[in-house]
Formats: sequence, C-alpha cells, structure tokens
Amino acid sequence: EPEVTQTPSHQVTQMGQEVILRCVPISNHLYFYWYRQILGQKVEFLVSFYNNEISEKSEIFDDQFSVERPDGSNFTLKIRSTKLEDSAMYFCASQQVAKNIQYFGAGTRLSVL
Amino acid sequence: GEDVEQSLFLSVREGDSSVINCTYTDSSSTYLYWYKQEPGAGLQLLTYIFSNMDMKQDQRLTVLLNKKDKHLSLRIADTQTGDSAIYFCAESSPDSWGKLQFGAGTQVVVTP
Repeated sequence: EPEVTQTPSHQVTQMGQEVILRCVPISNHLYFYWYRQILGQKVEFLVSFYNNEISEKSEIFDDQFSVERPDGSNFTLKIRSTKLEDSAMYFCASQQVAKNIQYFGAGTRLSVL
Repeated sequence: GEDVEQSLFLSVREGDSSVINCTYTDSSSTYLYWYKQEPGAGLQLLTYIFSNMDMKQDQRLTVLLNKKDKHLSLRIADTQTGDSAIYFCAESSPDSWGKLQFGAGTQVVVTP
C-alpha cells in the first residue's frame, strides 16, 4: 500500500540553525500539507500546498517557515532559524484531488537545543 | 474560530466496547475523521464520515454523527489490546483547502 514517507525520523539541531524536513507524498497525490504536534498538545495545521503554491497557511507559519516541492517527488519544510519552541513532531500529509482523505507520514521529531 | 473537543482518557476492558466522543463547533464541517496514533507512530486514518450521513460502520468500528448537536462518536466493538492508542477526531470544511482541525486526542487504554 502506498504511503507517505518522512525523513529523518528524528532531527536534533541547535537554536538558530536551519533545518529541512523532507517528505515523499503518495505518487498520484496533488495536495500536500504540513502539521505539527508539540508534545502533549493538539496536532496543528501549518500549511497546505497545491499546484506549486501555498493554498493556506496558519498563524504559526511565519517568515521563518517555507515549503518547496523541488522535484516531482519531494515536499520539504524549511525552518530558517530554529527556536526552542519549534521542538515538535512534524507531520506531512498528502491527498488526491477530489478525495477528502489525507494520508499522514510517521513524522519527524525535531528537537531544538 | 473552529474548535474540536474530546475527552482525554478512556479505560476499557478487553472484549468490551469503547465509545470515544467528540464535539465540534464549525457548522460548515463537511468531513469528520477518526485517526489513530500508536506510540512513536504517525496518524493512521481509521474512518471518516461525510456530514450528510448519520452513521457509518466498518467492521468493528461504528461512527455516529449528530449534526444538530455537532457530536461525533467512534465505537470500537470487542476492544483488543492492540486498540490501545490515542484517537484523534478531526474535521474539515469546504472553505479551508482541506485543512484539518484536530481535537486533543483521547488516550484509550485497554486492560486485560
């Protein structure tokens, strides 16, 4: 069964460093999403992406965040200058056109020290 | 703004039925979902229901939707130890480009 894959599974970084979280969505999906889950809190929407542009973003998704689909398979989330409060589990999801079902990856745990 | 609320914890004995409840505020919600998260794992879609339905059954899972009260429930029949996990309720509305609004999750612990 096709699945969304995320790498790395755990990323440790120093405050102020840039990180790139990578996702390979399911191959025939055209909508892509990033969510995050701070430990013990709700899963929060960050951004949706379709047709090579951002469709919607939350208040969390400020200028420190960016997303990119650099080729036909990868979807990345970049945090330019990480803060302690960026420590969270980051989930990528993808969805087919006209099907309202999002499939999630296993997540990347980001630890900012 | 939209909000999704769930009870935080449910303990159930193996073989019994579990019922997990969820309320939401967005009356334009079109799809409502249940996701399961096992320790250290991602979000696994269990089932979903479209807002014009009252009930959906899928093997051991039954979803009930009361749109008037904005109440969603998930019943797991014959609960097994492998059902121990966190269960998230989520909703999406047509004007939000598929953005899912999640509840805080209900931790279900199944005891032998």
